Amino acid sequence: QVQLQESGPGLVKPSQTLSLTCTVSGDSISSGGYYWSWMHQHPGKGLEWIGYIYYSGSTYYNPSLKSRVTISVDTSKNQFSLKLSSVTAADTAVYYCVRGDGYSRFDYWGQGTLVTVSS
Amino acid sequence: QSALTQPASVSGSPGQSITISCTGTSSDVGAYNYVSWYQQHPGTAPKLMIYGVSNRPSGISSRFSGSKSGNTASLTISGLQAEDEADYYCSSYTGSSTLVFGGGTSLTVL
Repeated sequence: QVQLQESGPGLVKPSQTLSLTCTVSGDSISSGGYYWSWMHQHPGKGLEWIGYIYYSGSTYYNPSLKSRVTISVDTSKNQFSLKLSSVTAADTAVYYCVRGDGYSRFDYWGQGTLVTVSS
Repeated sequence: QSALTQPASVSGSPGQSITISCTGTSSDVGAYNYVSWYQQHPGTAPKLMIYGVSNRPSGISSRFSGSKSGNTASLTISGLQAEDEADYYCSSYTGSSTLVFGGGTSLTVL
């Protein structure tokens, strides 16, 4: 069974960088075939795609966040990570890591982790 | 890259059928057969219900079906059950390896 688990600080100060890691079990990132994604959901709001990465390191980002987002992969640890810089309170959200085909089939989601931006 | 348009809420009685619409543009929903639908219960992660407009992942009830006409995709739930009460989100591929979601629809089972 494929499982994804987000980890990282639940509280980040304004202007700092939000950093999260997703650990994958039950599948190997380096086997290819999937895009490893980050989504977020602001409190009481809808979902938003942040971006995704292929095992080769190719990255694709939401244009609205592109200037602040970096997604990276560590195939040796079977993990991928999100960095979001210069955060504000508007970045407070639940962050999900997700496995997908890059187009439509985003089939395995982590449980989500709430990150609050506050001083 | 604007969000797809969904009704804020829909409702139906047990046993009935409901349809949730998802309207995009000729650059996303209308351009690709890459619409998916997710179900989200409060406090839980979204669950994939439909992908590729009309395909159901293994384990998803046949009561859930998807379709598309022009720039509008639809999710139909037949034989409504209490457990179907949740938020539903559509998403579409928009080209250039980007994705967009709808604002979500709250389904109430009366």
